[in-house]
Amino acid sequence: AQKVTQAQTEISVVEKEDVTLDCVYETRDTTYYLFWYKQPPSGELVFLIRRNSFDEQNEISGRYSWNFQKSTSSFNFTITASQVVDSAVYFCALSEVGNAGNMLTFGGGTRLMVKP
Amino acid sequence: GAGVSQSPSNKVTEKGKDVELRCDPISGHTALYWYRQSLGQGLEFLIYFQGNSAPDKSGLPSDRFSAERTGGSVSTLTIQRTQQEDSAVYLCASSLGVPRGSPLHFGNGTRLTVT
Repeated sequence: AQKVTQAQTEISVVEKEDVTLDCVYETRDTTYYLFWYKQPPSGELVFLIRRNSFDEQNEISGRYSWNFQKSTSSFNFTITASQVVDSAVYFCALSEVGNAGNMLTFGGGTRLMVKP
Repeated sequence: GAGVSQSPSNKVTEKGKDVELRCDPISGHTALYWYRQSLGQGLEFLIYFQGNSAPDKSGLPSDRFSAERTGGSVSTLTIQRTQQEDSAVYLCASSLGVPRGSPLHFGNGTRLTVT
């Protein structure tokens, strides 16, 4: 069965600190996709990134970077020089090819609070 | 272009009443999903529609929940005889049917409160 675990339920940092959000997944499939979504206080889930299981290259987008390691079944998300606007709940999610369409299984989320 | 639109944004209802929640997906997205987010909990998959195929209802928590999608576009999630445990934010998402791994795009959700 597929499962996504975000062990950190809540993280608090001071602005400009770097922070890493952990995500560990379980799947029996060899083909799957991993996602990160951001849910700000407004409530809408915002898509951040997608990786497929065959591409382990790390990715950087501005202050955001993602580290995908199949050996440890992890897909961690780092925010460099955090800002107050980064405060949100962040969800990691998994989609297996055998799923209903592109249905996502979500982790429990990590609430990030960035204080000025 | 326009994103996923959900209505109402908030709904307060009395226990035992029926409610209907509406979702208008992104134009051109053939796949539509309903999720539920309870307070302090993650997102729980409810139902999935792909084009005109029979929906995948594997996530519906009870037979009080049903959904339909008319004309392959707008979807309505109906909860009959609401219970207090149905209180949650109901999120709708849409995606391209192909390719695999297409990201889901979510609406702002409907916050349902059952009193």
